[in-house]
Amino acid sequence: AQSVTQLDSQVPVFEEAPVELRCNYSSSVSVYLFWYVQYPNQGLQLLLKYLSGSTLVKGINGFEAEFNKSQTSFHLRKPSVHISDTAEYFCAVSRDDKIIFGKGTRLHILP
Amino acid sequence: EAQVTQNPRYLITVTGKKLTVTCSQNMNHEYMSWYRQDPGLGLRQIYYSMNVEVTDKGDVPEGYKVSRKEKRNFPLILESPSPNQTSLYFCASLGGGELFFGEGSRLTVL
Repeated sequence: AQSVTQLDSQVPVFEEAPVELRCNYSSSVSVYLFWYVQYPNQGLQLLLKYLSGSTLVKGINGFEAEFNKSQTSFHLRKPSVHISDTAEYFCAVSRDDKIIFGKGTRLHILP
Repeated sequence: EAQVTQNPRYLITVTGKKLTVTCSQNMNHEYMSWYRQDPGLGLRQIYYSMNVEVTDKGDVPEGYKVSRKEKRNFPLILESPSPNQTSLYFCASLGGGELFFGEGSRLTVL
């Protein structure tokens, strides 16, 4: 069975500092991996996805993630955050049309 | 514009009063799904549908029903709502390996 673990429920970071949001998954077979973002009072939108190919995936708003098969991780990174990045971020795993979400990580940007 | 539309966006109701949350997508996607979002629990899948007339339970289906009579519509039905169904609900459709979400329906059951 698949599962997704987001290791931090909340991450505070100063504006213009780098950030990493961690995601680990468990699956015995190949999966697709996603990061979604939810801005306050809005729905979810796709940040980036890994389906196959290069393990470094670039997404919108300057975010990127690296797929590490040996560590079963898909951590999300941004080199310099902005106040507008304040949101909740969800990692998700997909296999055979079954999509499982992590519990989310709230990113707090400190002035 | 490609979109998933949910209605109503906000609803306050009372225990036992049947309600339906509608969901419609204009992308001709075969797969649609309902999720509920609760603090600290992330998104949990309620029901999903692989195609017209094909539906299946997700992780938390108790107290909900769905139907898929047309490809574009996937309504969520609460036959007898209870306070523990107070939540934020999202409909989504899947296409090109990506889930497209509606803007959410915030339901309060008193």
